[in-house]
Amino acid sequence: AQSVSQHNHHVILSEAASLELGCNYSYGGTVNLFWYVQYPGQHLQLLLKYFSGDPLVKGIKGFEAEFIKSKFSFNLRKPSVQWSDTAEYFCAVNGMNNNDLRFGAGTRLTVKP
Amino acid sequence: GAVVSQHPSRVICKSGTSVKIECRSLDFQATTMFWYRQFPKKSLMLMATSNEGSKATYEQGVEKDKFLINHASLTLSTLTVTSAHPEDSSFYICSVPGPTDTQYFGPGTRLTVL
Repeated sequence: AQSVSQHNHHVILSEAASLELGCNYSYGGTVNLFWYVQYPGQHLQLLLKYFSGDPLVKGIKGFEAEFIKSKFSFNLRKPSVQWSDTAEYFCAVNGMNNNDLRFGAGTRLTVKP
Repeated sequence: GAVVSQHPSRVICKSGTSVKIECRSLDFQATTMFWYRQFPKKSLMLMATSNEGSKATYEQGVEKDKFLINHASLTLSTLTVTSAHPEDSSFYICSVPGPTDTQYFGPGTRLTVL
């Protein structure tokens, strides 16, 4: 069965610090990988996605993620966070022929001004 | 603009009553929609897959008689929480698959059962 693990439950950073949020998945086939963000009081928004090709994908707002197939990982990174990045971040995976997403538990990011 | 809408955004009901939540795909037709439940400070859990023209597919542990799903048209799916109890209080979110294998999420409906 598919599963997604996010190891960091709550990350607290100061502005301008670098960010890396871990995501590992378990799935016996080809997958599509996603990072979603949920700002306080708002609905889920897609940050970036990986389907195939270059394993380093760039998303909105300066975020990027690297797919490492051998490690079953898809970590999210940002070189310099801002206060406005305070939000909940969810890693998700679906199989190539499945539309439904399986989410990780989420990581709450708090950026201190 | 919004791709997926949900109505209502908030609902408070008494225990034992039923509540209907609508999910509309605004930009494209959807033969499939998904319903998720989000517990406080936790991730989204897939509840069921809503299928236009056929029965919904429920995830293990989700009571299909309690959470009735009707995919009335290619742009509308409804989730009815029947005989609601306080433990059903949660944030319910629907999603619609987009044309590029990307899910578009609705804004969610917060249900509070007194």
